[in-house]
Amino acid sequence: KQEVTQIPAALSVPEGENLVLNCSFTDSAIYNLQWFRQDPGKGLTSLLLIQSSQREQTSGRLNASLDKSSGRSTLYIAASQPGDSATYLCAVSGFQKLVFGTGTRLLVSP
Amino acid sequence: NAGVTQTPKFQVLKTGQSMTLQCAQDMNHNSMYWYRQDPGMGLRLIYYSASEGTTDKGEVPNGYNVSRLNKREFSLRLESAAPSQTSVYFCASSSGSRTDTQYFGPGTRLTVL
Repeated sequence: KQEVTQIPAALSVPEGENLVLNCSFTDSAIYNLQWFRQDPGKGLTSLLLIQSSQREQTSGRLNASLDKSSGRSTLYIAASQPGDSATYLCAVSGFQKLVFGTGTRLLVSP
Repeated sequence: NAGVTQTPKFQVLKTGQSMTLQCAQDMNHNSMYWYRQDPGMGLRLIYYSASEGTTDKGEVPNGYNVSRLNKREFSLRLESAAPSQTSVYFCASSSGSRTDTQYFGPGTRLTVL
């Protein structure tokens, strides 16, 4: 059974810092890995999707990497802003199904 | 485009009552999903529908039933609500392609007393 772990569970940083969120998964037989953002009381918004054959994806200040053989992914956020405060969820995709981690709650202080 | 819509946004039930959560998408997606989100547990898949006319169990299907009414709509029914079903429920849809993400609705916050 696929298990997804995210570390740390919570992170608090001052504005402007670069930061890294970690995700690990137990079964490397995945189709893709996705990072989502969830604001309090809201649904999930997709940030980045990395295909199993890819090593990384970039969108603006966000960069996600994937090392399928070691079962790890990182989400790098450059020059963090207070608007980045949210919960970040990692999910791995098998056939028709996503398995989610429990998320990292990020707080960026002005 | 509205994307994925869910009704209701909030609901309080008494133990043993029944209710149906509604979900609709306007993106012409083949696949639709129901998740529940509980503190410390992440999102867990309840049921999914890979295409119109098919439904399959996910990780936590007990106590729930689903109906894929048509390509747009996928409903989740609680026949006899229990306090353990207190949760936030999310509906999602996708094209079903390996390269496509899932698009989520805003959620329904359900409390069972």
